[in-house]
Amino acid sequence: AQTVTQSQPEMSVQEAETVTLSCTYDTSESDYYLFWYKQPPSRQMILVIRQEAYKQQNATENRFSVNFQKAAKSFSLKISDSQLGDAAMYFCAYRSRGNYQLIWGAGTKLIIKP
Amino acid sequence: KAGVTQTPRYLIKTRGQQVTLSCSPISGHRSVSWYQQTPGQGLQFLFEYFSETQRNKGNFPGRFSGRQFSNSRSEMNVSTLELGDSALYLCASSTGLNTEAFFGQGTRLTVV
Repeated sequence: AQTVTQSQPEMSVQEAETVTLSCTYDTSESDYYLFWYKQPPSRQMILVIRQEAYKQQNATENRFSVNFQKAAKSFSLKISDSQLGDAAMYFCAYRSRGNYQLIWGAGTKLIIKP
Repeated sequence: KAGVTQTPRYLIKTRGQQVTLSCSPISGHRSVSWYQQTPGQGLQFLFEYFSETQRNKGNFPGRFSGRQFSNSRSEMNVSTLELGDSALYLCASSTGLNTEAFFGQGTRLTVV
């Protein structure tokens, strides 16, 4: 069975600085997707970035980028130029190709200090 | 384009009662998935429907059931409610396997 682990329950960063959130996963599959979702106090889960396992290039979306290490089964999220609006719970999630089920990490609470 | 709509947003039920939650996916999305989010267990997959067929089910007791209608709207039902069923229930819709899931704002269920 696949598992996703986020070892940082909480992280804090000064506004405008860079922070990295960690995620590791375990799977025996070779074809899958990885996601970072953000859940602000409004509770709505918002997709931040996604990575397809067969793509070696790390995904980027504006200030958000990932470091995908397939052999190490690691998928970290880097947020550059942190903004107050980035404060939220961040969840790492895994999905096999051919399956809609998302498997989630426990989440990391990100605090932005003004 | 309207997003995923979940109703109601909040519910308070008594132990032993049953409850029905509704999810309207984004127009054109045929897949609807349900997740339970609790502080203790985190996010757990309940089930997924595509074109009115349940394709995948998580590890939940039979008290949890769902269905999908021809217009892709989905409902989930929990019978004989227990205190431990108190949670945020999230619905997500998507168009296909190579696309991401879009989530609604959830229904907060409290069982007293």
